[in-house]
Amino acid sequence: NAGVMQNPRHLVRRRGQEARLRCSPMKGHSHVYWYRQLPEEGLKFMVYLQKENIIDESGMPKERFSAEFPKEGPSILRIQQVVRGDSAAYFCASSTDRGGDTQYFGPGTRLTVL
Amino acid sequence: QKEVEQNSGPLSVPEGAIASLNCTYSDRGSQSFFWYRQYSGKSPELIMFIYSNGDKEDGRFTAQLNKASQYVSLLIRDSQPSDSATYLCAVKGYSTLTFGKGTMLLVSP
Repeated sequence: NAGVMQNPRHLVRRRGQEARLRCSPMKGHSHVYWYRQLPEEGLKFMVYLQKENIIDESGMPKERFSAEFPKEGPSILRIQQVVRGDSAAYFCASSTDRGGDTQYFGPGTRLTVL
Repeated sequence: QKEVEQNSGPLSVPEGAIASLNCTYSDRGSQSFFWYRQYSGKSPELIMFIYSNGDKEDGRFTAQLNKASQYVSLLIRDSQPSDSATYLCAVKGYSTLTFGKGTMLLVSP
C-alpha cells in the first residue's frame, strides 16, 4: 500500500528556470495539500486541492507559483522563474475522500536554486 | 493570523526519562490537534492526534489537550535515542494545518 509519492526527490534549477514538482496521493485519497519548509523555518501551508479544484490557495505567493490537480495524474506545483529564495523543501500531504482530518506526508522535494 | 508556538529547544533528556513537549495556539476555534515527528532531512511523520480535552495515550506517547488554556502537550515515556528528532505541533483550522516551528528533542544514551 504505497504512501504519498513525490518526485523528483531533489531538483536543481538555475535562477529564471521553471520547477515542476509532482505529488501522487495515497490510494483512496483525493485531497492534496502542499507545504513549504524553508531552512530553519516551520512548515508553511501553500495550497489545498481536490481533483480539478483549488479549494484554498491562501498560502500561495501571488506571483510565479501555481498548482493543479487534474482529473488524471498527479498534482503539480509549478514555480516559474525561480529565485534563490525559492530554495526549500516542498512537501505534499494527502487525506481521505471524506475530508478526514489526518494528513499523511510524502518524502518531499528538495529544490535548490543556483 | 493563526499562530502555533513551541519552544525551539533543544530539549535534552537521558535515555529512559520522560520527555515533555509543549505547544500553545492562538485560534480558540481550533478543533483538531496533531503531533508529527521529523527527523533531519526527512518528512513529517504523524505520531498522534487529539480532539477532546484530556489525555490520549498510544504506546509510549500521551497527548494532552486543554482547550480553555489553548495548550497541547506530548509526553514521551521511556525516551530512547531513536526518539531524537524535531517534534511538530499542528493545529487544524477549517481544512489546513498550521504548524509550530518544532521542538528539537535530544535523548542521550
